Amino acid sequence: EVQLVESGGVVVQPGGSLRLSCAASGFTFDDYAMHWVRQAPGKGLEWVSLISWDGGSTYYADSVKGRFTISRDNSKNSLYLQMNSLRAEDTALYYCAKDIGSSGHPVILFDYWGQGTLVTVSS
Amino acid sequence: EIVLTQSPATLSLSPGERATLSCRASQSVSSYLAWYQQKPGQAPRLLIYDASNRATGIPARFSGSGSGTDFTLTISSLEPEDFAVYYCQQRSNWPPGFAFGPGTKVDIK
Repeated sequence: EVQLVESGGVVVQPGGSLRLSCAASGFTFDDYAMHWVRQAPGKGLEWVSLISWDGGSTYYADSVKGRFTISRDNSKNSLYLQMNSLRAEDTALYYCAKDIGSSGHPVILFDYWGQGTLVTVSS
Repeated sequence: EIVLTQSPATLSLSPGERATLSCRASQSVSSYLAWYQQKPGQAPRLLIYDASNRATGIPARFSGSGSGTDFTLTISSLEPEDFAVYYCQQRSNWPPGFAFGPGTKVDIK
């Protein structure tokens, strides 16, 4: 059974930093690209970032580019999101999501999601 | 940047009725359009990909159609568990080019 479990969400002050983690199990982690997708309270979904199967390629939404860094450790079946210079508008539930594409090529479809970890940016 | 618009924002229907949800793209996304369902307190679930293909385990009452800029998600006969928010998502012209629509809430009339 595929499981994605996010952690690391807390209340942080504007300008602060935070690192989110996602522990993956139930599938061959290094066969798949992975994503972070966020959802502000009561709002819709916003794609945040993508990392290729080997970590060699990363992509970001314009809203987080230069402030967030996605990474992965395939030896630990783990995905990360380093979040710096946090703003109030970054307040959201952050989901880790698996790309559906196999053979390492991202298809940009999300077939499994975690339950999310809540990041609140507030003074 | 491709912008997705969904209509209506809210759809109030009764169990057993047919639901028709629309997603329109600001420019062609070919058939690279997906639909997700999200229930309160849950993560989204992939329903339809590439406009008309049901994802694994999705019941046949869910169907998708369209291409280019206009797409439709149809639920042929609403079950109680289908009342939820539905998002469309395009994956054309990436990177970065992938985005979600604002969602349509299907609630009980």
